[in-house]
Amino acid sequence: DAKTTQPNSMESNEEEPVHLPCNHSTISGTDYIHWYRQLPSQGPEYVIHGLTSNVNNRMASLAIAEDRKSSTLILHRATLRDAAVYYCILAPARQLTFGSGTQLTVLP
Amino acid sequence: DAGVIQSPRHEVTEMGQEVTLRCKPISGHDYLFWYRQTMMRGLELLIYFNNNVPIDDSGMPEDRFSAKMPNASFSTLKIQPSEPRDSAVYFCASSGPLAGDTQYFGPGTRLTVL
Repeated sequence: DAKTTQPNSMESNEEEPVHLPCNHSTISGTDYIHWYRQLPSQGPEYVIHGLTSNVNNRMASLAIAEDRKSSTLILHRATLRDAAVYYCILAPARQLTFGSGTQLTVLP
Repeated sequence: DAGVIQSPRHEVTEMGQEVTLRCKPISGHDYLFWYRQTMMRGLELLIYFNNNVPIDDSGMPEDRFSAKMPNASFSTLKIQPSEPRDSAVYFCASSGPLAGDTQYFGPGTRLTVL
Protein backbone atom coordinates (compact mmCIF):
# COMPACT_ATOMS: atom_id res chain seq x y z
CA ASP A 1 0.00 0.00 0.00
CA ALA A 2 1.17 3.52 -0.76
CA LYS A 3 2.12 5.27 2.45
CA THR A 4 1.77 8.81 3.72
CA THR A 5 4.02 10.87 5.96
CA GLN A 6 2.58 13.54 8.22
CA PRO A 7 4.04 15.56 11.09
CA ASN A 8 3.07 14.12 14.45
CA SER A 9 1.73 17.41 15.75
CA MET A 10 1.09 21.02 14.80
CA GLU A 11 -0.16 24.10 16.59
CA SER A 12 -2.20 26.97 15.32
CA ASN A 13 -3.72 30.10 16.73
CA GLU A 14 -7.47 30.47 16.67
CA GLU A 15 -8.86 32.26 13.60
CA GLU A 16 -5.63 31.83 11.67
CA PRO A 17 -5.16 29.59 8.63
CA VAL A 18 -3.63 26.16 9.09
CA HIS A 19 -1.70 24.21 6.48
CA LEU A 20 -1.39 20.51 7.22
CA PRO A 21 1.15 18.78 4.96
CA CYS A 22 1.20 15.22 3.72
CA ASN A 23 3.86 13.49 1.67
CA HIS A 24 2.96 10.50 -0.47
CA SER A 25 5.84 9.95 -2.88
CA THR A 26 4.73 6.41 -3.84
CA ILE A 27 1.22 7.42 -4.84
CA SER A 28 -0.18 5.57 -7.85
CA GLY A 29 -2.33 6.99 -10.60
CA THR A 30 -5.54 5.54 -9.22
CA ASP A 31 -5.05 6.62 -5.60
CA TYR A 32 -7.48 9.17 -4.23
CA ILE A 33 -6.12 11.46 -1.51
CA HIS A 34 -8.53 11.47 1.43
CA TRP A 35 -8.47 13.56 4.57
CA TYR A 36 -10.38 12.55 7.65
CA ARG A 37 -10.23 13.96 11.13
CA GLN A 38 -11.03 12.53 14.51
CA LEU A 39 -12.20 14.75 17.32
CA PRO A 40 -11.69 13.51 20.87
CA SER A 41 -13.93 10.56 21.75
CA GLN A 42 -15.58 10.52 18.34
CA GLY A 43 -15.38 8.47 15.19
CA PRO A 44 -13.40 9.73 12.20
CA GLU A 45 -15.10 12.40 10.15
CA TYR A 46 -14.65 13.03 6.44
CA VAL A 47 -13.01 16.34 5.58
CA ILE A 48 -12.20 16.33 1.88
CA HIS A 49 -10.76 14.23 -0.91
CA GLY A 50 -9.33 14.68 -4.38
CA LEU A 51 -7.56 12.92 -7.22
CA THR A 52 -5.56 15.44 -9.23
CA SER A 53 -7.06 18.91 -8.99
CA ASN A 54 -7.31 21.19 -5.99
CA VAL A 55 -10.61 20.85 -4.17
CA ASN A 56 -12.65 23.15 -1.97
CA ASN A 57 -15.60 22.48 0.28
CA ARG A 58 -17.23 24.21 3.21
CA MET A 59 -14.79 22.69 5.67
CA ALA A 60 -11.44 23.01 3.97
CA SER A 61 -9.36 23.16 0.82
CA LEU A 62 -7.07 20.50 -0.55
CA ALA A 63 -4.05 21.56 -2.54
CA ILE A 64 -2.44 18.75 -4.54
CA ALA A 65 1.05 19.09 -5.95
CA GLU A 66 1.37 18.82 -9.70
CA ASP A 67 3.31 15.53 -9.40
CA ARG A 68 0.79 14.34 -6.75
CA LYS A 69 3.60 13.35 -4.40
CA SER A 70 2.39 15.71 -1.72
CA SER A 71 -0.74 17.51 -0.67
CA THR A 72 -1.79 20.13 1.86
CA LEU A 73 -5.02 20.39 3.78
CA ILE A 74 -5.90 24.03 4.40
CA LEU A 75 -8.23 25.14 7.15
CA HIS A 76 -8.91 28.77 6.36
CA ARG A 77 -9.73 29.95 9.87
CA ALA A 78 -8.99 27.51 12.65
CA THR A 79 -11.44 27.32 15.52
CA LEU A 80 -11.12 25.51 18.83
CA ARG A 81 -13.48 22.91 17.43
CA ASP A 82 -10.92 22.04 14.75
CA ALA A 83 -8.57 20.54 17.34
CA ALA A 84 -8.35 16.93 16.26
CA VAL A 85 -6.13 14.27 14.72
CA TYR A 86 -6.02 14.75 10.95
CA TYR A 87 -5.38 11.72 8.77
CA CYS A 88 -4.11 11.84 5.20
CA ILE A 89 -4.99 8.58 3.46
CA LEU A 90 -4.36 7.18 0.01
CA ALA A 91 -7.01 4.82 -1.22
CA PRO A 92 -7.38 3.29 -4.64
CA ALA A 93 -10.87 2.13 -3.80
CA ARG A 94 -12.54 1.12 -0.58
CA GLN A 95 -9.85 0.36 1.92
CA LEU A 96 -8.82 3.29 4.08
CA THR A 97 -5.53 2.67 5.85
CA PHE A 98 -5.16 5.11 8.71
CA GLY A 99 -1.67 6.14 9.79
CA SER A 100 -0.89 8.01 12.98
CA GLY A 101 -2.03 11.37 11.62
CA THR A 102 -1.26 14.91 12.77
CA GLN A 103 -2.52 16.07 16.14
CA LEU A 104 -3.66 19.67 15.61
CA THR A 105 -3.78 21.91 18.66
CA VAL A 106 -5.62 25.21 18.32
CA LEU A 107 -4.57 27.87 20.78
CA PRO A 108 -7.11 30.50 21.89
CA ASP B 1 -30.73 10.74 8.49
CA ALA B 2 -29.57 9.57 11.90
CA GLY B 3 -26.16 8.55 10.65
CA VAL B 4 -24.47 5.26 11.45
CA ILE B 5 -25.83 3.82 14.68
CA GLN B 6 -23.81 1.54 16.92
CA SER B 7 -24.77 -0.28 20.07
CA PRO B 8 -23.89 -0.59 22.79
CA ARG B 9 -21.77 2.52 23.25
CA HIS B 10 -19.88 0.93 26.11
CA GLU B 11 -19.40 -2.71 26.97
CA VAL B 12 -17.56 -4.17 29.92
CA THR B 13 -17.22 -7.93 30.05
CA GLU B 14 -15.07 -10.60 31.57
CA MET B 15 -12.51 -12.65 29.75
CA GLY B 16 -14.04 -15.66 28.08
CA GLN B 17 -17.46 -14.13 27.56
CA GLU B 18 -19.09 -13.63 24.17
CA VAL B 19 -19.42 -10.05 22.98
CA THR B 20 -21.70 -8.85 20.19
CA LEU B 21 -21.40 -5.37 18.73
CA ARG B 22 -24.14 -4.02 16.50
CA CYS B 23 -24.28 -1.56 13.64
CA LYS B 24 -27.01 0.03 11.56
CA PRO B 25 -25.59 1.71 8.45
CA ILE B 26 -26.99 4.79 6.75
CA SER B 27 -30.00 3.88 4.66
CA GLY B 28 -29.09 3.37 1.02
CA HIS B 29 -25.42 2.73 1.66
CA ASP B 30 -24.29 -0.58 0.29
CA TYR B 31 -20.82 -0.74 1.84
CA LEU B 32 -20.25 -1.41 5.52
CA PHE B 33 -16.92 -1.43 7.33
CA TRP B 34 -15.77 -2.54 10.77
CA TYR B 35 -12.67 -0.88 12.28
CA ARG B 36 -10.85 -1.26 15.57
CA GLN B 37 -8.85 1.47 17.30
CA THR B 38 -6.24 0.97 20.00
CA MET B 39 -3.46 3.17 21.28
CA MET B 40 -0.85 0.69 20.12
CA ARG B 41 -2.12 -0.07 16.61
CA GLY B 42 -4.26 2.93 15.73
CA LEU B 43 -7.27 2.49 13.46
CA GLU B 44 -7.38 -0.83 11.63
CA LEU B 45 -9.87 -2.09 9.08
CA LEU B 46 -11.17 -5.48 10.17
CA ILE B 47 -13.67 -6.40 7.46
CA TYR B 48 -15.98 -4.83 4.94
CA PHE B 49 -19.18 -5.85 3.17
CA ASN B 50 -20.76 -4.93 -0.12
CA ASN B 51 -24.47 -5.61 -0.51
CA ASN B 52 -24.35 -7.76 2.63
CA VAL B 53 -21.54 -9.95 1.29
CA PRO B 54 -18.11 -9.94 3.01
CA ILE B 55 -15.53 -8.70 0.51
CA ASP B 56 -12.32 -8.53 2.51
CA ASP B 57 -11.85 -9.98 5.98
CA SER B 58 -8.06 -10.03 5.94
CA GLY B 59 -7.97 -7.63 8.87
CA MET B 60 -9.91 -9.89 11.21
CA PRO B 61 -7.35 -10.78 13.85
CA GLU B 62 -8.26 -14.41 14.46
CA ASP B 63 -11.01 -16.98 14.47
CA ARG B 64 -12.47 -15.61 17.66
CA PHE B 65 -13.78 -12.71 15.60
CA SER B 66 -16.70 -13.06 13.22
CA ALA B 67 -18.91 -10.57 11.41
CA LYS B 68 -22.25 -10.93 9.70
CA MET B 69 -24.59 -8.76 7.72
CA PRO B 70 -27.95 -10.53 7.50
CA ASN B 71 -29.60 -7.59 5.74
CA ALA B 72 -28.86 -4.15 4.39
CA SER B 73 -29.70 -2.40 7.64
CA PHE B 74 -27.88 -4.47 10.23
CA SER B 75 -24.46 -5.94 10.94
CA THR B 76 -22.85 -7.61 13.93
CA LEU B 77 -19.28 -8.13 15.03
CA LYS B 78 -18.91 -11.00 17.48
CA ILE B 79 -15.96 -11.94 19.65
CA GLN B 80 -16.07 -15.39 21.23
CA PRO B 81 -14.33 -15.91 23.58
CA SER B 82 -13.20 -12.40 24.43
CA GLU B 83 -9.74 -11.62 25.78
CA PRO B 84 -8.31 -8.54 27.52
CA ARG B 85 -6.29 -7.68 24.40
CA ASP B 86 -9.56 -7.20 22.52
CA SER B 87 -10.19 -4.08 24.57
CA ALA B 88 -10.53 -1.25 22.05
CA VAL B 89 -12.97 1.11 20.42
CA TYR B 90 -14.79 -0.57 17.55
CA PHE B 91 -16.16 1.64 14.80
CA CYS B 92 -18.63 0.84 12.09
CA ALA B 93 -18.75 2.93 8.90
CA SER B 94 -20.84 2.90 5.76
CA SER B 95 -20.53 4.39 2.30
CA GLY B 96 -22.23 4.61 -1.05
CA PRO B 97 -21.43 2.71 -4.25
CA LEU B 98 -18.80 4.93 -5.88
CA ALA B 99 -15.08 4.32 -5.40
CA GLY B 100 -14.43 7.79 -4.03
CA ASP B 101 -17.49 7.85 -1.78
CA THR B 102 -17.06 9.14 1.72
CA GLN B 103 -17.15 6.73 4.63
CA TYR B 104 -19.42 7.83 7.44
CA PHE B 105 -18.40 6.55 10.83
CA GLY B 106 -20.53 5.72 13.82
CA PRO B 107 -19.73 6.88 17.35
CA GLY B 108 -18.01 3.61 18.21
CA THR B 109 -18.36 0.99 20.91
CA ARG B 110 -15.79 1.10 23.68
CA LEU B 111 -15.11 -2.49 24.72
CA THR B 112 -13.33 -3.36 27.92
CA VAL B 113 -12.51 -6.99 28.61
CA LEU B 114 -11.44 -7.64 32.19
